[in-house]
Amino acid sequence: GENVEQHPSTLSVQEGDSAVIKCTYSDSASNYFPWYKQELGKRPQLIIDIRSNVGEKKDQRIAVTLNKTAKHFSLHITETQPEDSAVYFCAASIGSGKLQFGAGTQVVVTP
Amino acid sequence: DAGVIQSPRHEVTEMGQEVTLRCKPISGHNSLFWYRQTMMRGLELLIYFNNNVPIDDSGMPEDRFSAKMPNASFSTLKIQPSEPRDSAVYFCASSRDRGLTEAFFGQGTRLTVV
Repeated sequence: GENVEQHPSTLSVQEGDSAVIKCTYSDSASNYFPWYKQELGKRPQLIIDIRSNVGEKKDQRIAVTLNKTAKHFSLHITETQPEDSAVYFCAASIGSGKLQFGAGTQVVVTP
Repeated sequence: DAGVIQSPRHEVTEMGQEVTLRCKPISGHNSLFWYRQTMMRGLELLIYFNNNVPIDDSGMPEDRFSAKMPNASFSTLKIQPSEPRDSAVYFCASSRDRGLTEAFFGQGTRLTVV
């Protein structure tokens, strides 16, 4: 089955700097790659997603890139703010309904 | 829409007791997922349904776990008998399409088995 690896497990950045989280997946048939943000004690919520027919997608300070050949995708957060502090999860799906999540990255933005 | 609704929000039970977690998906969504979240294992998919039919239950840890979806607006996850290692946050999520669109999560049920 699909295996998603996510790095780093923790990331500390200064406010205003950029944060990058990387994920790799194993199943070349995967075609949907969402990113979720989970604040402490809250539910995971989608922040951005990308499909396999697109290489890059941007939404304000957040961008995701996908390299299908290398089977990896990344989340980029620019101009980080304290409210960006949370756990971020990447995920991959082959469209069968099974969304496989990475282990998560704890992002801490220090003022 | 009120989103995915789970109940109860918190459950504390004694080892050996039966626990039933409930979920109401978003109206119109045809896929429903049950996840378990722990510090050690992260977010694990336990089972998912499409059009009320269980599609993949390979993530269900043991026979003590069972899930049903009797209709499009209701699902249950049952643990019988419960054990301390079942303590976790259990999330229900629903989506409009089978894994190709956003999965909306409920607020979760924090289960503590003592």
